[in-house]
Amino acid sequence: EAGVTQFPSHSVIEKGQTVTLRCDPISGHDNLYWYRRVMGKEIKFLLHFVKESKQDESGMPNNRFLAERTGGTYSTLKVQPAELEDSGVYFCASSQGETVPSGNTIYFGEGSWLTVV
Amino acid sequence: QKEVEQDPGPLSVPEGAIVSLNCTYSNSAFQYFMWYRQYSRKGPELLMYTYSSGNKEDGRFTAQVDKSSKYISLFIRDSQPSDSATYLCAMRTGGFKTIFGAGTRLFVKA
Repeated sequence: EAGVTQFPSHSVIEKGQTVTLRCDPISGHDNLYWYRRVMGKEIKFLLHFVKESKQDESGMPNNRFLAERTGGTYSTLKVQPAELEDSGVYFCASSQGETVPSGNTIYFGEGSWLTVV
Repeated sequence: QKEVEQDPGPLSVPEGAIVSLNCTYSNSAFQYFMWYRQYSRKGPELLMYTYSSGNKEDGRFTAQVDKSSKYISLFIRDSQPSDSATYLCAMRTGGFKTIFGAGTRLFVKA
């Protein structure tokens, strides 16, 4: 069974450009999460989808970030326009149920490493 | 003040040593406590989770939660070079938003 896959694995863009990150969750997982880790900081929650609906987007840093999950399958995270402080690794994760410890495990992808220059 | 405090290390131990990793937290509403392992350039992988206070053992790994002290620990017995990774503590309230510690880099020397 395929895990959570993310694309691109690495991206280098100039300040002001747009980048779109894609996440394919594990098949059948209704819950999809985006997290990010900027240099020297903790991994921080960005938002949570249940199917195609945004359940919580309280962690989104500002309106330059837009996440979508069309049809409740894959998700995209767009940063427009990108700023230097957006550099970091963006993790996508998915899970079947909503809460622990219902047997639900959150599976993380390997991350999309973004560098804004 | 951060919700979760974790010493980033690095922590270097010889093979076979017992490793102790710890986190403190400030939010008394946390109920679920997790430890993730992250290898270089990989995503976090769930090692163990514990609900409320107590101990949980899984092979060479033991997780402890002391809610009265707001302190959690992960012990690794008979550490192996393959255990070298970053270990992240993480916590949740009743919901789904996970709060991570900074992660402790562990090196186990052969």
